[in-house]
Amino acid sequence: DAEITQSPRHKITETGRQVTLACHQTWNHNNMFWYRQDLGHGLRLIHYSYGVQDTNKGEVSDGYSVSRSNTEDLPLTLESAASSQTSVYFCASSDTSGGYNEQFFGPGTRLTVL
Amino acid sequence: GIQVEQSPPDLILQEGANSTLRCNFSDSVNNLQWFHQNPWGQLINLFYIPSGTKQNGRLSATTVATERYSLLYISSSQTTDSGVYFCAVGNYGQNFVFGPGTRLSVLP
Repeated sequence: DAEITQSPRHKITETGRQVTLACHQTWNHNNMFWYRQDLGHGLRLIHYSYGVQDTNKGEVSDGYSVSRSNTEDLPLTLESAASSQTSVYFCASSDTSGGYNEQFFGPGTRLTVL
Repeated sequence: GIQVEQSPPDLILQEGANSTLRCNFSDSVNNLQWFHQNPWGQLINLFYIPSGTKQNGRLSATTVATERYSLLYISSSQTTDSGVYFCAVGNYGQNFVFGPGTRLSVLP
């Protein structure tokens, strides 16, 4: 069955370190998204991609970067982790073919920055 | 940008009761989804429903796009229905905006 996976599921790191969160989907979807979820803020969009080599900034992109070298993967990099980036991170994918844009979410990665 | 409101923010039910959750949005949309986030944090797709009515077991949803709202109905609630229910809206070529969610607690 097609799915979307994230790794690691839990990560503890220190302030200033570079961290990369992985997202892999086997839906063959063109679109991929990264969100963060914080108490009091709901889900907020960090970065998104509509295809290979395409990346775009979302609502809360400062301190984060993504790259899309193939259809299946969209890794999220925190260049220099800050305590404010402690959060739960969700990856999602969708395919707009046929006019639909239903998003499917991965299980999430809980990141703690000490 | 599009604003999304959900009501009520919190809901406590006795097992077996019915409930209606509402999602209002500020602009026309042609994409709308309902999600359930379970107590373990997993986001589960319930409905993709930009317009019309759909049913899946005890759950059903109706979206009236022209009046900018969607309703999620839960009948004969069970403890496993507990969690947070989100609606997310958007338009083709744009990204979803999530509402703040409705936290549902179903008591045995």
